[in-house]
Amino acid sequence: NAGVTQTPKFRVLKTGQSMTLLCAQDMNHEYMYWYRQDPGMGLRLIHYSVGEGTTAKGEVPDGYNVSRLKKQNFLLGLESAAPSQTSVYFCASSPVLAGETQYFGPGTRLLVL
Amino acid sequence: AQSVTQPDIHITVSEGASLELRCNYSYGATPYLFWYVQSPGQGLQLLLKYFSGDTLVQGIKGFEAEFKRSQSSFNLRKPSVHWSDAAEYFCAVASYDKVIFGPGTSLSVIP
Repeated sequence: NAGVTQTPKFRVLKTGQSMTLLCAQDMNHEYMYWYRQDPGMGLRLIHYSVGEGTTAKGEVPDGYNVSRLKKQNFLLGLESAAPSQTSVYFCASSPVLAGETQYFGPGTRLLVL
Repeated sequence: AQSVTQPDIHITVSEGASLELRCNYSYGATPYLFWYVQSPGQGLQLLLKYFSGDTLVQGIKGFEAEFKRSQSSFNLRKPSVHWSDAAEYFCAVASYDKVIFGPGTSLSVIP
């Protein structure tokens, strides 16, 4: 089992460019999440999904879009990147309820110039 | 609304000393509580969790945490810290569909 994987590991963008971060899990989990981590702010939830074909907004959704077309994949899109989106992005999944353990990917470092 | 506070941004302890990391939460119902650890450049790993029952919870790597409803606290403890425990520690509270993380406490260990 690979667990939760994230692609890419690191990316540099120019302001206004777009990109998609891919998260994949092989544990057949229903719930998937995207967080961003910034110094002193912990992890903040961007968007999440409670099942295939569903998405919902978290704490900081502005500037991001997500899709969950397949149960195992959760995509995070930045349509027009801004320097404020420079961060480390983590994907996580959990079996059913959010009260269950979340399993995290290794993270994607994004730098927006 | 749910929230989690971790009053200590950074803590330094000597190897072999005891450790307590503080966590306070705000949640209207019985909470699901977690402690996660993040080593440099890594994702988060679960240390322990509390759902119900015994208020003293044992976790991996010799960590334990105690749930105190009256104080809305879920403090993490370890009796003897090892150099490999140096990391970032996050407390979290969960509702039925999402988890809210605290800002984290960075732990440094002096050999």
